[in-house]
Amino acid sequence: EAGVTQSPTHLIKTRGQQATLRCSPISGHTSVYWYQQALGLGLQFLLWYDEGEERNRGNFPPRFSGRQFPNYSSELNVNALELEDSALYLCASPREGGDYGYTFGSGTRLTVV
Amino acid sequence: EDQVTQSPEALRLQEGESSSLNCSYTVSGLRGLFWYRQDPGKGPEFLFTLYSAGEEKEKERLKATLTKKESFLHITAPKPEDSATYLCAVQAHTGGFKTIFGAGTRLFVKA
Repeated sequence: EAGVTQSPTHLIKTRGQQATLRCSPISGHTSVYWYQQALGLGLQFLLWYDEGEERNRGNFPPRFSGRQFPNYSSELNVNALELEDSALYLCASPREGGDYGYTFGSGTRLTVV
Repeated sequence: EDQVTQSPEALRLQEGESSSLNCSYTVSGLRGLFWYRQDPGKGPEFLFTLYSAGEEKEKERLKATLTKKESFLHITAPKPEDSATYLCAVQAHTGGFKTIFGAGTRLFVKA
């Protein structure tokens, strides 16, 4: 199956700036899931978009937001960046075949300095 | 609240030394329990879905089992290329396809 693509691969920002991360799901898939993986921690659920709507969000402050476009690609925006926002941000699509698993992208490594 | 706890945090094995990774979970209505492999700096790679207690799945040197409270990932005669972080995760029948992940077990296999 065609994969999930994320851009950019790496992003370096200064504290207080805004970061925009992008994701294209598996072709034809309508759902996008965003996760944050801070160093040494597990994947933390951020946001779920489906059919252009935000369906669920994790326990993150409102400065984490996003949107889904008509072609089902998605953006994750992080405003007023803090040092602890440094992490690997992963995007996922539900797998084909009905096993409820995810296909993940390679992630965007965000570093806040 | 749905929760996943993995142990040990790290495991060092010699090549050929079989062992098991543990995943304890609590979930209200299990839709599926998942195992993923993650290499450094990359996204997780799907390995298995287990749906109900008593189920087992195998792939090469890996075998996953499931009880009502735990899952085990058995690694038989591991090779250095099996070195990675192994993530356990659960998904409930409610909440769409939101998946809750454990912190992972870092496996190091020495030749």
